[in-house]
Amino acid sequence: SQQGEEDPQALSIQEGENATMNCSYKTSINNLQWYRQNSGRGLVHLILIRSNEREKHSGRLRVTLDTSKKSSSLLITASRAADTASYFCATDGKTSYDKVIFGPGTSLSVIP
Amino acid sequence: DTAVSQTPKYLVTQMGNDKSIKCEQNLGHDTMYWYKQDSKKFLKIMFSYNNKELIINETVPNRFSPKSPDKAHLNLHINSLELGDSAVYFCASSNGGGRKPQHFGDGTRLSIL
Repeated sequence: SQQGEEDPQALSIQEGENATMNCSYKTSINNLQWYRQNSGRGLVHLILIRSNEREKHSGRLRVTLDTSKKSSSLLITASRAADTASYFCATDGKTSYDKVIFGPGTSLSVIP
Repeated sequence: DTAVSQTPKYLVTQMGNDKSIKCEQNLGHDTMYWYKQDSKKFLKIMFSYNNKELIINETVPNRFSPKSPDKAHLNLHINSLELGDSAVYFCASSNGGGRKPQHFGDGTRLSIL
């Protein structure tokens, strides 16, 4: 069964606005990761947050994690047209070599 | 200096044929993966190898057979292709299993006629 689910499925904003995407999952995790996929390309790793962390920043990205609610959010500030892509959260299992499960993704369109 | 490279990028073939997709990584990673992404962009793990050993084998038809000749290569052979096999197949690698960031290739777009 699916572990992570993103919300919304699709998001359209104007350049300069902030974009927030949410991810909910069902079972305990060690890490949660966010990836970006540009059209026709492979996924690119953005940020990893451990289960004992609540917030992490990387450039214009801010990720929060609430393990009590089993949810995470990805905030992209001051969005650019180049941020147009699909964004996926990925959650892991109990051991290092367990499979990582990707959510269905949020499709973000940033309008210039 | 591509990190994870897959060939071919596009594969168009007829139902019933056998085809292979190759993947190579030059990152020195110990774990490699095959994923299938359907038309709704849902990404599902198929196989994972760690140091040439199969560690994840999802519920995948046995028409799909992965092979890892060494740590840097993971190939996927598909027998008797079916219409439902049409998808984008991604190879990825990481160092230390799925908990670590994965590096993806740009995918192989498989279309079955």
